[in-house]
Amino acid sequence: DQQVKQNSPSLSVQEGRISILNCDYTNSMFDYFLWYKKYPAEGPTFLISISSIKDKNEDGRFTVFLNKSAKHLSLHIVPSQPGDSAVYFCAARVEDRSDSGGGADGLTFGKGTHLIIQP
Amino acid sequence: NAGVTQTPKFQVLKTGQSMTLQCAQDMNHEYMSWYRQDPGMGLRLIHYSVGAGITDQGEVPNGYNVSRSTTEDFPLRLLSAAPSQTSVYFCASSARRDNQPQHFGDGTRLSIL
Repeated sequence: DQQVKQNSPSLSVQEGRISILNCDYTNSMFDYFLWYKKYPAEGPTFLISISSIKDKNEDGRFTVFLNKSAKHLSLHIVPSQPGDSAVYFCAARVEDRSDSGGGADGLTFGKGTHLIIQP
Repeated sequence: NAGVTQTPKFQVLKTGQSMTLQCAQDMNHEYMSWYRQDPGMGLRLIHYSVGAGITDQGEVPNGYNVSRSTTEDFPLRLLSAAPSQTSVYFCASSARRDNQPQHFGDGTRLSIL
């Protein structure tokens, strides 16, 4: 049972246009969501995150939107650049509220979307 | 900044062999985790640790052991390698504060023949 779903294995966008990557989740206990970018032969690189108390977080060209009622989040990249071509992973975590350190059980990842920016 | 360092980068093993994948971080992060990534799949959590001396199982722990004797190091041991463990392994660390992202190493590509 996949708790974090990225239904588009690949997405092709023209340079300068908006890229929209989507992610759905099923576990209502998820409280913190992240997007990672991954180039071949490298580890995932943190891009942007959002806590469930917000519905939008912006960082430069990257904006993440969260719709808790629909259990859906999206990553917008505007404008898209050739260097944005990579695999993008959506990830989710149950927020660690315990001072004892319990509950930090790692991230649950989607399968990724390969974004291709066309010149 | 070294960040999260994984060694080796590549390894080929025969079925039944054992080995240890090394992971070290220099950011004084409390949390460390191991993931595996298989073709067409996202990363899946193998084991994690919330601090020295404390480890716990993730989604796919069978066939792997971990220990956390220091804050910096979190080795992953394959006890008896199987072809199903052919994968790319990623180690990650994060600070123990609210909403801190995990930082990943560049991975170890492991092939079991």
